[in-house]
Amino acid sequence: SQQGEEDPQALSIQEGENATMNCSYKTSINNLQWYRQNSGRGLVHLILIRSNEREKHSGRLRVTLDTSKKSSSLLITASRAADTASYFCAYTSGTYKYIFGTGTRLKVLA
Amino acid sequence: DAGVIQSPRHEVTEMGQEVTLRCKPISGHNSLFWYRQTMMRGLELLIYFNNNVPIDDSGMPEDRFSAKMPNASFSTLKIQPSEPRDSAVYFCASSLQGGDETQYFGPGTRLLVL
Repeated sequence: SQQGEEDPQALSIQEGENATMNCSYKTSINNLQWYRQNSGRGLVHLILIRSNEREKHSGRLRVTLDTSKKSSSLLITASRAADTASYFCAYTSGTYKYIFGTGTRLKVLA
Repeated sequence: DAGVIQSPRHEVTEMGQEVTLRCKPISGHNSLFWYRQTMMRGLELLIYFNNNVPIDDSGMPEDRFSAKMPNASFSTLKIQPSEPRDSAVYFCASSLQGGDETQYFGPGTRLLVL
C-alpha cells in the first residue's frame, strides 16, 4: 500500500504541552500537506511544505520535511483543548492525487 | 464563503437501494474530488474531475459506483445497488486548479447501508 504511515496512532497530552506527530511515506514527493479533522467533520488544510523546503511555520504549527528519510513531522506548540482532533498528512508525487496517511488522534486534556 | 456543500449529511438505506450523494464545490474552483473514508482503509480518492470532466476514476470501487459533474457547481456520486460494505463517510473536496493545490473538504455524508 502506498498509504502514508503516521505515528503515534493516538496521543494524549495536557493543555500547554507540545504535540509532535510523524508521517512516513514510500515514494518521492512533490509536496506534503497536513490536515486536521474534527470529529464528524471534513478535513481542514493546515500547512503545505514543498519537497525543496525543510521547515515551515504557521502560528503554533511547525512542519519539517526530511526527503532523505521520507518523513515529515508536525509540531503543535502550547496545545489547547481546541486542538483535539485527528491529524493527517497527505502527499503527492506531482499531480492531483494525494495519498493520505493513517492519521494521529490527538487529545488535549484541559 | 459557504465552502463545499454536501447533502445529505446522513443517509441510512437498505441493501439494494440506490443512493445519491450531492456536492456543490466552492465557486471558482475547477477541480472536484470524491473521497471515501473508512476505519479500515482510511481516506481513498474515488474520482477526480477537472473542468467538469472526469480525469481519473481509477479509485471507483466497481460498476455500482458512478459520478457525474453536469456543470461547474454540482456533482453527484451514485451507488446502485448499495451494499453494506459501502457504509462509510463520503467527502467531496474542491481546489482551485487541481494540481498540487490545497483541497477544501465538505462536511461529508455519513452513509449506512443496512
